[in-house]
This record gives sequence, C-alpha cells and structure tokens, in this order.
Amino acid sequence: GQQVMQIPQYQHVQEGEDFTTYCNSSTTLSNIQWYKQRPGGHPVFLIQLVKSGEVKKQKRLTFQFGEAKKNSSLHITATQTTDVGTYFCAGIYNQGGKLIFGQGTELSVKP
Amino acid sequence: KAGVTQTPRYLIKTRGQQVTLSCSPISGHRSVSWYQQTPGQGLQFLFEYFSETQRNKGNFPGRFSGRQFSNSRSEMNVSTLELGDSALYLCASSPSANPSYGYTFGSGTRLTVV
Repeated sequence: GQQVMQIPQYQHVQEGEDFTTYCNSSTTLSNIQWYKQRPGGHPVFLIQLVKSGEVKKQKRLTFQFGEAKKNSSLHITATQTTDVGTYFCAGIYNQGGKLIFGQGTELSVKP
Repeated sequence: KAGVTQTPRYLIKTRGQQVTLSCSPISGHRSVSWYQQTPGQGLQFLFEYFSETQRNKGNFPGRFSGRQFSNSRSEMNVSTLELGDSALYLCASSPSANPSYGYTFGSGTRLTVV
C-alpha cells in the first residue's frame, strides 16, 4: 500500500554530532519531499527529490533518493541547536497523487 | 506576500458538537490540502481540493467533510465530534494540483474536544 515508514522516531544528539533519518516505502515513489517542523510550529518545505539516486545538499543537510526510488535519507552534519525539530519525509506515488507523510523523526540537540 | 491563514487558531468544543475550520491559501494558489496531526499518528491526510473539486480523500469517516470556494478558500467540517478528534488540523496550499511544487502550511487550528 501507499505508506511511508520513517525511522528513528526520536534521536537525541550532542551538539556537533551527525544525525540521519531514513524513509522507506514498499512501492516505488514518484517524488519525495522533506519538511521540518520546529516545536510548536508547522511543517516547512525543505526540498524535493525526483530522480533515482539523486543527492542534494543544503549547507549541512544532505538529502538522498535511493536508486529504486523506494527510500530516502536526510543527513545533518555537525548538528546545531537550531536543527531541533521534527523532520518529515513525504512521498508522492504518482503524478497528481496526494502527499503521504512519514511519522517523522524528532531531533533534540544537547548543547 | 501573505502566507496560508487558518482560523481560528484554537478551539474547544464538546463531544457531539460540530466545528468548521477555515483556510485561506497563498494568493494564486489553487490547491488546498488538509491534514490531521496527532502525537501518535503523525500527519494524516484528510482531503485535497483543486478548483473547487475534491481530488483526493484520506481514510477518515464521513463526519469529516470539506469544500473549496471559487476564491480558493477552503473549509473543513467535523460533525458529531469525538474525543479522538482532538488534534492540530493543518491546511497546506500549493500553486497547482501537482504536489511536486511543495506545500506551504498554515499555522494550524488546535482543536480540543472535551
């Protein structure tokens, strides 16, 4: 079915450590998007990946889309306290289809 | 330009009542989607509207309904409220029916059912 699984659910890191969250789908995705939700806030669009094997970077954030377009990851290098929040992946299964969100990974950063 | 506006921000209702939530998308955006966010279930898709037509619907009971007006503003209605309907309801807008443009979310309406 159309379901996006995301792990881990929580991640606690010391400031300066790296962080990675993973998304997985049992069926092929058309696109995958990533969002960040700060505590008490709403999800904010970060990026979209479309191509098989695609890698995109935004400063310390690296986004990858798997070769089979069934998984994706977000890696943050040298976390900072400003990275705190919940990171969601969201998949699209066909053009014009709805956006299905993963459960999110809540990141806390200890200074 | 103004973002996505949701009203009201907070709402307390009693079981059995009904509620209407409003969403004004970014000017020029014609697609509006609604999500229910709860700590245990994450972001659950409710429905999506484009040019006043419902394009997609999630797996929610018929008590949840919505509509979109000609100016792209959208409303969602929940009838016969249950305690489990307590959640943050988020509205998201997009320029087109294709979600590939990315969604812009509003700040949400926090509904508490007592």
